[in-house]
Amino acid sequence: EAGVAQSPRYKIIEKRQSVAFWCNPISGHATLYWYQQILGQGPKLLIQFQNNGVVDDSQLPKDRFSAERLKGVDSTLKIQPAKLEDSAVYLCASSLSDRANYGYTFGSGTRLTVV
Amino acid sequence: AQSVTQLDSHVSVSEGTPVLLRCNYSSSYSPSLFWYVQHPNKGLQLLLKYTSAATLVKGINGFEAEFKKSETSFHLTKPSAHMSDAAEYFCVVTVNQAGTALIFGKGTTLSVSS
Repeated sequence: EAGVAQSPRYKIIEKRQSVAFWCNPISGHATLYWYQQILGQGPKLLIQFQNNGVVDDSQLPKDRFSAERLKGVDSTLKIQPAKLEDSAVYLCASSLSDRANYGYTFGSGTRLTVV
Repeated sequence: AQSVTQLDSHVSVSEGTPVLLRCNYSSSYSPSLFWYVQHPNKGLQLLLKYTSAATLVKGINGFEAEFKKSETSFHLTKPSAHMSDAAEYFCVVTVNQAGTALIFGKGTTLSVSS
């Protein structure tokens, strides 16, 4: 089974620029998550999708972050404008069910550096 | 609110010696608990999970963890460390009783010396 694909692997941008990350989940996985992992910390949930609907975006800084999952498959996460504190690894995960007990599969992440 | 506390930010062991990574949790309900491992430049991988069945949970690569409700702990152990075990380890709890998302601890870096 192919894993969760993310691109790009690395991105360096200047503050106030915009950036977008892409995620392709495992085929058939209805639930998709975006996590932010700041250096030295555990991943923090940003947003959860069930098919193409948002289940939880309470931790998403909506003034600068946006995410969509058109057609319930691929997803993009955008930051506009970026701040220095957005430097982090952005992880995408997918699951068959919205129950974490079923297990997630994580992608390798996109490492964002904002300078 | 649910949370996990990993008691050590860094643990160093010698190859062949036991590994103990400590985790305490806080939850208002019977939680599901997980340990994930993250090798450098790799994705997160599930080591093991506790979901209210047996309190001693066996995972991959010889790791196991014991759920102790009285101590609100879920420590990760391995009898004999291998060089390939060097990685970042995260203790994780479900965000609610339905288990719809995960809350990660801050992580413990395991170093293994020869």
